Amino acid sequence: QSVLTQPPSVSAAPGQKVTISCSGSSSNIGINYVSWYQQLPGTAPKLLIYDNNKRPSGIPDRFSGSKSGTSATLGITGLQTGDEADYYCGTWDSSLSAGGVFGGGTKLTVL
Amino acid sequence: QVQLQESGPGLVKPSQTLSLTCTVSGGSISSGGYYWSWIRQYPGKGLEWLGYIYYSGSTYYNPSLKSRVTISVDTSKNHFSLKLSSVTAADTAVFYCARGNYASSGYWAQYYFDYWGQGTLVTVSS
Repeated sequence: QSVLTQPPSVSAAPGQKVTISCSGSSSNIGINYVSWYQQLPGTAPKLLIYDNNKRPSGIPDRFSGSKSGTSATLGITGLQTGDEADYYCGTWDSSLSAGGVFGGGTKLTVL
Repeated sequence: QVQLQESGPGLVKPSQTLSLTCTVSGGSISSGGYYWSWIRQYPGKGLEWLGYIYYSGSTYYNPSLKSRVTISVDTSKNHFSLKLSSVTAADTAVFYCARGNYASSGYWAQYYFDYWGQGTLVTVSS
C-alpha cells in the first residue's frame, strides 16, 4: 500500500493530452515538493519533474507538473508511442514516520 | 555525466543479510551536496525508499525498515553500500541506488532523485 495514491492506468491516443493524478496528505504533498519519474519497460526510473513543476535539462516541455493542496498532477501533451511507460510521483513525508515516499505508479497506454 | 552501478549477489538465502554496493562515476561522493540513496521495486512494481547517506556518514532510514537496514559510504572508493538483514522472500525486489537531492527549511522539504543506477534483481530463496 503506497503512501501516495495514483490511478493504476490511463490511456489516450497519439497527439492527445493526458493527466496523471497523485493524491497525498498534509504531511507530504501538502507541504513538500513533488517529483515525477518515467519508467520505460525494463529500465530504471528517470526524473521528469522536480520541485512540483521544474523540468531537468533534456526533458521536453510536453511534460508539465502542478500541485494544489494535497494533490499533484503530471500532464503530457502531444502524446507519442514512446511515452508509453509507468509514471511515479514522489515526495518527502514529514510525519512521525518521515522519509521518502512514492505513489503506486500509473501505466500510460498510448492507443 | 554521473553514473551509478549496483553490484552484489543476485540470490540470498532467507534469514541472511543482503549486501549491495553502488559505485559512482563521473562525480565524487565526497564533494557533498547530495544524499546517496537506496530504493527498491517489488515485482508488482511499487517503489519503496530504503534510506540515504551523506558523504560525512550521516544516515537516515525508512522507519519501517530501520532495524534491518544499514547504509555505509567509502569515499576513497567512491561507493556506498546497503545491508539488509534477516531477509525473507518478501524482500525479493530490484534494488536501485540513486543520487538524492534533499533540502529542508523546517516548513517544507524537497527530495528527488536525478540519477539512478540500472538496478539489480535480488531474489531471496533457499
